[in-house]
Amino acid sequence: SQQGEEDPQALSIQEGENATMNCSYKTSINNLQWYRQNSGRGLVHLILIRSNEREKHSGRLRVTLDTSKKSSSLLITASRAADTASYFCATGNYGGSQGNLIFGKGTKLSVKP
Amino acid sequence: GAGVSQSPSNKVTEKGKDVELRCDPISGHTALYWYRQSLGQGLEFLIYFQGNSAPDKSGLPSDRFSAERTGGSVSTLTIQRTQQEDSAVYLCASSLFDRDYGYTFGSGTRLTVV
Repeated sequence: SQQGEEDPQALSIQEGENATMNCSYKTSINNLQWYRQNSGRGLVHLILIRSNEREKHSGRLRVTLDTSKKSSSLLITASRAADTASYFCATGNYGGSQGNLIFGKGTKLSVKP
Repeated sequence: GAGVSQSPSNKVTEKGKDVELRCDPISGHTALYWYRQSLGQGLEFLIYFQGNSAPDKSGLPSDRFSAERTGGSVSTLTIQRTQQEDSAVYLCASSLFDRDYGYTFGSGTRLTVV
């Protein structure tokens, strides 16, 4: 079953605009992570936000976490064509026995020059 | 090595044949994970190795799938009697201790069953 689900499924913007992606999850978490995937191959870890944090920044990335709403958002500011990729949120089912991350289906971001 | 290495990058096989996919994790990473991703889809968890503990095989879709991890390092995912629905990108990731440390992914193996 899906733990993280991203919204929207696809997003198309112009270079220089901001891009916001949202993620909802179902169970209690220790942390939530965001990954980027280019060209359908390996994913790259972008940022991890812990359950006791509300906001975290890394360069042009800003992640927020609202545990009361079981949701997170990833904001990419001043987007570039190189940001074109799929973005996934991932977390774990910390109430269960499995030790793996569960990924959503991703948001496909297209940044037009 | 510096990153997670997977081989082969691409594999085309005939239906019914067996295939082996290899993953070489980052040295010192105790946790190793296999996922697969069908075209345009999310990641489907397959199996998780943690140190010398028994692996979590709960994601393997059928008994045609098996995996091992030798010496706490290299892992091999084997698919027997391949079917067309096995076509996907198979991704391996390792983590320093567990999922709370984040994953480092390999570039994946694209498997095509014809």
